[in-house]
Amino acid sequence: TQLLEQSPQFLSIQEGENLTVYCNSSSVFSSLQWYRQEPGEGPVLLVTVVTGGEVKKLKRLTFQFGDARKDSSLHITAAQPGDTGLYLCAGAWNTGNQFYFGTGTSLTVIP
Amino acid sequence: DTGVSQDPRHKITKRGQNVTFRCDPISEHNRLYWYRQTLGQGPEFLTYFQNEAQLEKSRLLSDRFSAERPKGSFSTLEIQRTEQGDSAMYLCASCETGKVRGELFFGEGSRLTVL
Repeated sequence: TQLLEQSPQFLSIQEGENLTVYCNSSSVFSSLQWYRQEPGEGPVLLVTVVTGGEVKKLKRLTFQFGDARKDSSLHITAAQPGDTGLYLCAGAWNTGNQFYFGTGTSLTVIP
Repeated sequence: DTGVSQDPRHKITKRGQNVTFRCDPISEHNRLYWYRQTLGQGPEFLTYFQNEAQLEKSRLLSDRFSAERPKGSFSTLEIQRTEQGDSAMYLCASCETGKVRGELFFGEGSRLTVL
């Protein structure tokens, strides 16, 4: 059972389009992370957000933590084929940094 | 430092056999995590250690699963009497403690196929 639900599960878009991935939970997290995973490799951290309402930008990627710290979104502007991969959110509670991952969003950007 | 390493990368076994996976974390990281991942899904938390202490093991999938980290360095994950449903990627990750924005560093995983 995974505590974080991501939507959509699959996303296939054309190069240059924008997209948003959502991560939702009924639990409150002390921090939330986004990772990207490519086939045959482990996930790699993109960003960590810790404050409700926090917005962080990483080049064409914008991450937002919900005010209540139960949800988050990842927005990609002008997607490129190199953005293709499995995007994962992961939440941690105060009690010991147990990171629980979301269900994942598989993104394919078509040239 | 070469990062988190896992061994073996691939394991094919027959149902009923025991398998063991090894994880060597980044040397200065005292937290070590095990996850299971099936194709296209997010990693499923199994257990984690701080140094040699196993702090959470209630998420281990059954009593056939066990993990150790005897000297607080490398860790092993053992699956006894494997079943076909155990086929998955087993990921290990490590991190430093005491950091609010702590980052998990993952290995490349050990892929298990149970025939």
